[in-house]
Order: sequence, then structure tokens, then C-alpha cells
Amino acid sequence: RKEVEQDPGPFNVPEGATVAFNCTYSNSASQSFFWYRQDCRKEPKLLMSVYSSGNEDGRFTAQLNRASQYISLLIRDSKLSDSATYLCVVNKGASGGSYIPTFGRGTSLIVHP
Amino acid sequence: ETGVTQSPTHLIKTRGQQVTLRCSSQSGHNTVSWYQQALGQGPQFIFQYYREEENGRGNFPPRFSGLQFPNYSSELNVNALELDDSALYLCASSSGTSNIQYFGAGTRLSVL
Repeated sequence: RKEVEQDPGPFNVPEGATVAFNCTYSNSASQSFFWYRQDCRKEPKLLMSVYSSGNEDGRFTAQLNRASQYISLLIRDSKLSDSATYLCVVNKGASGGSYIPTFGRGTSLIVHP
Repeated sequence: ETGVTQSPTHLIKTRGQQVTLRCSSQSGHNTVSWYQQALGQGPQFIFQYYREEENGRGNFPPRFSGLQFPNYSSELNVNALELDDSALYLCASSSGTSNIQYFGAGTRLSVL
């Protein structure tokens, strides 16, 4: 089983739709969690951090469920510009206070007119 | 712009050669991580440097090595290149107190 698993998609949705992605992780000692966005042939960029209490940034909502070991990303009112690959990242602690990040393979979102 | 710069942007090598990739971290960041991203996959963690010391390593063989300099810039060296090393190599910097990473645009390596 991979450490971090994501459905690769693609998710093909019309503008204005609500879409949700899940990401599961296997290491219960994982410490911090993020969603990154990656446009085609570009570098990943931080979308948002993920907390147990849930956090919202405009149309985007992220949630962490430690008991079930998954994180989620909800996008409301999808825009054409939301088309990208969404990567979940799970960090686990390592020696000396460092951390080892593990990326999922990403979920592709295509928003069409 | 993240302020993280990588060079070169593209590189073509042949099997068995050696390559050095470079990364300048964002101002104020003392931690640099390197990733390999194959087509259609997420970035795979190679290693991380914090204050010039290797501070964590992923599942990559010893022919992948690195350095971090006093100004926190970094190099990734790959010896004895193999065809499967063809990928986008990403560098990310962060501050020691935060594990939010800022990525450079990457170096696209092709091994023929």
C-alpha cells in the first residue's frame, strides 16, 4: 500500500460545480498536511494547509480526519482556472526535528464551460 | 514568484554520465529539499538539507547526492545516469520553523 494515495482522476466537471477530492495516508504518526496545486509543466504551489478543525479559503475547504487517516479538499463554484492537478502532501517527523514529506500522485481536475 | 531559482532549466545527458543541478533558496530560508517528478506522478522526495547537513532522505540510491552551501543554496548530483532518471527535478525551500515549501520551476532532465 502506498503511503499517500489519491484518485488520479481526471475529474471532469462543468463550471459552477462542486467537486471533492480525498487523499488517504498510511502512517498514523504523520504530523502535518497540505494541498498543493500544480499546473501543467509548472512547479507545485501551496494551496492550503489542512487542520483537524477544518479550514476554508474562499471557495476551497480542507479537512483532516485523523481517525480515518484521510484529508479532503472541496472546491465550490468551480472556475475554468481551477483546472490543474491537486497534490496532497503528508509530512512525518524524522530525526533532529526534521520531516519527511510524501506527495500523492495528484488528482487531475478539468473544468469545462 | 517564489524566489527559488533552479538551473539549468533543461538538460540532455547520455546514460552513464554525471549531472549537477543547482538551486538558490528563497531569502531567509535555510532548508532545501529535492524531488524527482516523473510524468504523471507526484514529486518523490530525494533528500533534504538543513544548515548544510543532510537532514532526511527518501528511497533513492547513493548515486544521488547533494550539498548545501553557507548561503543555503544547494546542488543535486546524480552519478552513473540511467534512462529512468529522466524526470523533472524540483527543489523547494522552507524556513527551519515551517514545513511549508516553496518550489522552483524545476530542471527537466532527459537521459538518452
